[in-house]
Amino acid sequence: GENVEQHPSTLSVQEGDSAVIKCTYSDSASNYFPWYKQELGKGPQLIIDIRSNVGEKKDQRIAVTLNKTAKHFSLHITETQPEDSAVYFCAARLNFGNEKLTFGTGTRLTIIP
Amino acid sequence: EPEVTQTPSHQVTQMGQEVILRCVPISNHLYFYWYRQILGQKVEFLVSFYNNEISEKSEIFDDQFSVERPDGSNFTLKIRSTKLEDSAMYFCASSGQVLSYGYTFGSGTRLTVV
Repeated sequence: GENVEQHPSTLSVQEGDSAVIKCTYSDSASNYFPWYKQELGKGPQLIIDIRSNVGEKKDQRIAVTLNKTAKHFSLHITETQPEDSAVYFCAARLNFGNEKLTFGTGTRLTIIP
Repeated sequence: EPEVTQTPSHQVTQMGQEVILRCVPISNHLYFYWYRQILGQKVEFLVSFYNNEISEKSEIFDDQFSVERPDGSNFTLKIRSTKLEDSAMYFCASSGQVLSYGYTFGSGTRLTVV
């Protein structure tokens, strides 16, 4: 089955700087890669996703890049703000029907004011 | 924005007792899921449900677990005889037929087995 690795496990960034979180996946059949933000005591919230027919996707300060050949994808947050502090999870799945999500182990991002 | 609603937010139960965790998925979604997250660990898949039957289940989802969609709106997870290691956050999620939005997760039920 699919295995998703995520690095780093913790990341501290000065406010205003950029943060990058990286994930690798094992199943070349996976073709949908969402990123979730989880704040304390809350459920994962989708912040951006990418499909395998696209190499990059951007939404304001957040971008995701995908390298299908190398089977890795990354989350980039620019101009970080204190409210970006949270745990971020990457995930992978087959993009049809009811295929399950396989999550990475999470990255605790702390923005230092 | 549509939400997935989970109740209760926190449940404490004695080992060996049955618990039912409740979820109201987004109304026009077709696929329903339960995931769990042990404290400090990653989110793990338990079960997916479509067209009134289980589509897939993980090895965690043993005979002690069951799911049901008893009416048109609720989706429940039952644990028949809870164990200490069942203590975790349980997340319900739903998705539509065309996966352009990703899953929508509920805010979770924290289950504590004592």
